[in-house]
Amino acid sequence: LAKTTQPISMDSYEGQEVNITCSHNNIATNDYITWYQQFPSQGPRFIIQGYKTKVTNEVASLFIPADRKSSTLSLPRVSLSDTAVYYCLVVSHGSGNTGKLIFGQGTTLQVKP
Amino acid sequence: EPEVTQTPSHQVTQMGQEVILRCVPISNHLYFYWYRQILGQKVEFLVSFYNNEISEKSEIFDDQFSVERPDGSNFTLKIRSTKLEDSAMYFCASSVGRGPTDTQYFGPGTRLTVL
Repeated sequence: LAKTTQPISMDSYEGQEVNITCSHNNIATNDYITWYQQFPSQGPRFIIQGYKTKVTNEVASLFIPADRKSSTLSLPRVSLSDTAVYYCLVVSHGSGNTGKLIFGQGTTLQVKP
Repeated sequence: EPEVTQTPSHQVTQMGQEVILRCVPISNHLYFYWYRQILGQKVEFLVSFYNNEISEKSEIFDDQFSVERPDGSNFTLKIRSTKLEDSAMYFCASSVGRGPTDTQYFGPGTRLTVL
């Protein structure tokens, strides 16, 4: 599984757009990029997933360049309730895949009023 | 929206005691997982389970741990003889499939405190 690297922490203010970039230089052809969010004392929650180009849902957008060695999670107009840890994961489609998710340290986003 | 549930929300036990953590996965899901998170650390994979068998387990999941799906709805994690270092949040998750596009849904967790 490709190793991911993302900033340990970020600060933002309410109403701003937040972009969290994750690098995954060793991503394999069959791998997908998935982002989870975790609030304190809660389980991780799926936000968005993509393979290439751009994906958008009601919560966020995910930008993936052509080489797929990095990805950027974009949160539009954050509010205080978006304060959480955001995890970038590379998920494999290999034949030996058992569904195991490998979490890194994540990015702790602090949204200030 | 269907959700994964876990009981109890908090379990306090003495070192050496057995604990059973319970989970009810989403009803049409076939793949089940346990993860743990020690306070201030990252979420760690423990075990994956499918078709009443363990699919994969991590180094953490030693002989003190076991999982079971005793009926059609519950999925349990048993720690036979708890240690202080087992204190953590334990999360159950489930998914329809095991592919990269099969989202894993996590429960709210059980906080295990070993004294």
